[in-house]
Amino acid sequence: QVQLHESGPGLVKSSQTLSLTCTVSGGSISVGSYYWSWVRQPAGKGLEWIGRIFVSGSTNYNPSLRDRVTISVDTSKNQFSLRLSSLTAADTAMYYCAREPEAGDWYFDLWGRGTLVTVSS
Amino acid sequence: DIQMTQSPSTLSASVGDRVTITCRASQSINSWLAWYQQKPGKAPNLLIYKASSLESGVPSRFSGSGSGTEFTLTISSLQPDDFASYYCQQYKTYALTFGGGTKVDIK
Repeated sequence: QVQLHESGPGLVKSSQTLSLTCTVSGGSISVGSYYWSWVRQPAGKGLEWIGRIFVSGSTNYNPSLRDRVTISVDTSKNQFSLRLSSLTAADTAMYYCAREPEAGDWYFDLWGRGTLVTVSS
Repeated sequence: DIQMTQSPSTLSASVGDRVTITCRASQSINSWLAWYQQKPGKAPNLLIYKASSLESGVPSRFSGSGSGTEFTLTISSLQPDDFASYYCQQYKTYALTFGGGTKVDIK
């Protein structure tokens, strides 16, 4: 069965760039019509969608984060990645990778366990 | 952005209670709405999509209804495993947004 696993540094400095990777196991990232997303959640708060990518490389980003976000895909490694620049304390959150079934069905039917990112000054 | 507002933010209930959570959209989203359950320290888990379609493997005590701007998630008989937080999410537009969440705790 397909699983998602986030990886990356747990602590990053303010003003620097965060890089996270989501590894897809148990199936190919290129099979089907799936889209692959990043979602974050500050401690004790709600969920915020960051952006998504299709295996073709096509992306959509949250307008509020668009200037700082880049999502990429590496089909040879069965991974997709997030880069978030100009970090501040407000970017401290649990970061999840997640799967959307297909174009237009932009809900999340599979999630990773999440990785906690703390931005320090 | 489409704003999603959930109510109540906290709900105290007992095992066996019928529980209803409301989600309102700032503009019509047709039936493009999903519901998730999240337990502490865990990722969200999909319960309902397209407002009323039950995700495979989700108990039938969960149901969703509504269209346009007003939606509800109902748990017909609350079970001990159901004490958690619940979030709605619209997907009318590619820029997804979530409700603020409803925490269901033990009365």
